[in-house]
Amino acid sequence: QVQLVESGGGVVQPGGSLKLSCAASGFTFSYYGMHWVRQAPGKGLEWVAFIQYDVNIKYYGDSVKGRFTVSRDNSKNTLYLQMNSLRVEDTAVYFCTACTVGGCSFWGQGTLVTVSS
Amino acid sequence: QSVLTQPPSVSAAPGQKVTISCSGSSSNIGNNYVSWYQHVPGTAPKLLISDNNKRPSGIPDRFSGSKSGTSATLGITGLQTGDEADYYCGTWDNSLSAVVFGGGTKLTVL
Repeated sequence: QVQLVESGGGVVQPGGSLKLSCAASGFTFSYYGMHWVRQAPGKGLEWVAFIQYDVNIKYYGDSVKGRFTVSRDNSKNTLYLQMNSLRVEDTAVYFCTACTVGGCSFWGQGTLVTVSS
Repeated sequence: QSVLTQPPSVSAAPGQKVTISCSGSSSNIGNNYVSWYQHVPGTAPKLLISDNNKRPSGIPDRFSGSKSGTSATLGITGLQTGDEADYYCGTWDNSLSAVVFGGGTKLTVL
């Protein structure tokens, strides 16, 4: 069955770095654009980043532009999010999701990132 | 402030029907597909409606989606207590080159 499993979350100090991973299985990973979406405590869903299936195109939300980098390894069916210069407001559950232009069919359970001193 | 506007909350009794609106602009809803998600905090969001009005396999026909101009609507009939969740609309925004979500609507089944 389809699985997206995020890992790499944890507690980090402001200004620190963290790298999230998302391991995909049960579907053809290389066919899908992949996104990171986050939900801060008590807030709604916020889109973070997108990477096209062939890695040529990447987009970022304004709040993370210049600090976060999305990448993927289609040979390992894995999506990544390198997060640098972390801020308290980056504290959230981070979800990876596989999407087409019509919507995002597959979601992971999320990994919690806490930025705190 | 979300790019897409949803009501913060809706409520209805079991068995009744509710609609959740999602208002945007020509740069997003007006020219792109809208999708809807059900999210119970602490779990993975679930795709309810794709491509404005298509239900993925396994989603009951109690859920429906429509789009007109720069607005979209999610309808839920035959409400069940298990439908209590947060609901989000989402689409691509051509001007922002970004995915945009509504602020979310909390559904309470009284």
